Amino acid sequence: ELKVEQNPLFLSMQEGKNYTIYCNYSTTSDRLYWYRQDPGKSLESLFVLLSNGAVKQEGRLMASLDTKARLSTLHITAAVHDLSATYFCAVGEINNNDMRFGAGTRLTVKP
Amino acid sequence: KAGVTQTPRYLIKTRGQQVTLSCSPISGHRSVSWYQQTPGQGLQFLFEYFSETQRNKGNFPGRFSGRQFSNSRSEMNVSTLELGDSALYLCASSEGSGEKLFFGSGTQLSVL
Repeated sequence: ELKVEQNPLFLSMQEGKNYTIYCNYSTTSDRLYWYRQDPGKSLESLFVLLSNGAVKQEGRLMASLDTKARLSTLHITAAVHDLSATYFCAVGEINNNDMRFGAGTRLTVKP
Repeated sequence: KAGVTQTPRYLIKTRGQQVTLSCSPISGHRSVSWYQQTPGQGLQFLFEYFSETQRNKGNFPGRFSGRQFSNSRSEMNVSTLELGDSALYLCASSEGSGEKLFFGSGTQLSVL
């Protein structure tokens, strides 16, 4: 059975600092997704990673994928308060919306 | 472009009742998927509909069902509600299967 593990589950960081969230998955998969969820809100898609070595960046967030290690990382650069949210990774396949989500990483950025 | 619209936003039901949730996808999106989110189990896939056909189904009992109409709007139904069905039900649409999902705001269902 496909398992998706994120760590850490809780992350409190100071503004201006860098940090990385890790997402490990247990079986081969076609694609890796990152989503953001603000408290009481729905999920917003951040990145879709399709191949080994894929790297995508948007503002202070950069996601990468290593399919051989079955690992994706979400790197946060110079965190700001607005990045406070829960970040989910999810693993999926082509032609299939049965995405397996990790438990989420609740990020709090403090001034 | 309007986003994914889910109605109602909140629902309170009692055990044994049934409930129908509605989802209107982004215009042009043919795939609609449903997810259940709970604090204990996290996000779990319920089912996906594409062009009025159920394409994939998650590991949920038969009490959970859905359908999609010709205009891509979708409904999900839960019969004989149980306390454990209390959750946020999220609908998501995409251009195709395996593509980036656009989520609605969800329906918060409370079963008393």
